[in-house]
Amino acid sequence: SAVISQKPSRDICQRGTSLTIQCQVDSQVTMMFWYRQQPGQSLTLIATANQGSEATYESGFVIDKFPISRPNLTFSTLTVSNMSPEDSSIYLCSVYRDSAGNTGELFFGEGSRLTVL
Amino acid sequence: QKEVEQNSGPLSVPEGAIASLNCTYSDRGSQSFFWYRQYSGKSPELIMSIYSNGDKEDGRFTAQLNKASQYVSLLIRDSQPSDSATYLCAVNNSWGKLQFGAGTQVVVTP
Repeated sequence: SAVISQKPSRDICQRGTSLTIQCQVDSQVTMMFWYRQQPGQSLTLIATANQGSEATYESGFVIDKFPISRPNLTFSTLTVSNMSPEDSSIYLCSVYRDSAGNTGELFFGEGSRLTVL
Repeated sequence: QKEVEQNSGPLSVPEGAIASLNCTYSDRGSQSFFWYRQYSGKSPELIMSIYSNGDKEDGRFTAQLNKASQYVSLLIRDSQPSDSATYLCAVNNSWGKLQFGAGTQVVVTP
């Protein structure tokens, strides 16, 4: 597995503001992802955080709203911009540990619970 | 649209009994399958991964995979109150980009 630290663990934010979530992994990983879990819902992939290049976003997510940085193989940030109450969610950093034959596993950080008022 | 389907529950299970959770998926090309446990207010925790048809056992957990039927299940034997959680089925579509089901809530009653 991996030790994945996220901060903040939770925050209450005002509408229209932006918040940056940090994710630190205890060892170098190739693949890092950001997921969102809205209240009572399952997990949805926001984007793949690519080291040294722009993140790859899933359908429905855009860079202007969720800018992502990945300066090295152990760290990434996700910013939630111009927040509205609909952005109230748990944001989860995750890393994929690959093994031979596509038998890798995905591990999650503790999550960052954002409430937007 | 690739889909992962689970019964939402809640699934009520007496303590000591077997909990049976089911999951179907639509992408026949999927190769990796996972079960995560998520306690309320916590992040998902990987409890089982399965890649080949058949059964895989780990302690009180058994995962079963049938790729022909596009079906994966999780059995929890000797259920304990600490097993009360939401169980998420996930399918690996592409190198770590997992698609998750909605989750099944399990409630183990003493």
